[in-house]
Amino acid sequence: DAGITQSPRHKVTETGTPVTLRCHQTENHRYMYWYRQDPGHGLRLIHYSYGVKDTDKGEVSDGYSVSRSKTEDFLLTLESATSSQTSVYFCAISESGAGQGHEQYFGPGTRLTVT
Amino acid sequence: AQSVTQLGSHVSVSEGALVLLRCNYSSSVPPYLFWYVQYPNQGLQLLLKYTSAATLVKGINGFEAEFKKSETSFHLTKPSAHMSDAAEYFCAVTGRSGGSNYKLTFGKGTLLTVNP
Repeated sequence: DAGITQSPRHKVTETGTPVTLRCHQTENHRYMYWYRQDPGHGLRLIHYSYGVKDTDKGEVSDGYSVSRSKTEDFLLTLESATSSQTSVYFCAISESGAGQGHEQYFGPGTRLTVT
Repeated sequence: AQSVTQLGSHVSVSEGALVLLRCNYSSSVPPYLFWYVQYPNQGLQLLLKYTSAATLVKGINGFEAEFKKSETSFHLTKPSAHMSDAAEYFCAVTGRSGGSNYKLTFGKGTLLTVNP
């Protein structure tokens, strides 16, 4: 299994509070991704990173920000959590961009509940 | 732009029966195609991928998929279902590019139930 960990694995927070999720990899892969998974929607890309301090938006980026100060860590921040951000969040990594055919390896996920 | 449609959000089969999960894609450029499996409370695991080396792709756990350009399809099959195959399956597509502008786009998933 690819060395990807996510923390925390479960979190319950209140509306309006900031939340940071962490993804840590030991594979030294260049690309890292944050997805959310919701019933009936599959996985949707929030943000991704193609190198240290290089990030870009995905299809559902509103209300989220990311940072990557080291190759191994990719942080996802909800500045002010809303109930619509209740979801399961997955981190993924890959050697290169999606357009080069390399598969993405997924972490175990973080279940976030915003009350 | 790329998109993928998985026909049937829920498929139920008997143990030992053929498994067929359908995926149709749309892509403005030659695609890469993937099937992932997700067991309950786990992350996604790659089953197989199509990169144009062969149209019939064999994956793990006895699964295979055939790329049919004329039908824009990449259906997943397994000759004989096992109870352990019960999971959710996702098809995903991306366009071929040397840059970072192409993303992996997932279908909405098909939940496979295997009945004893």
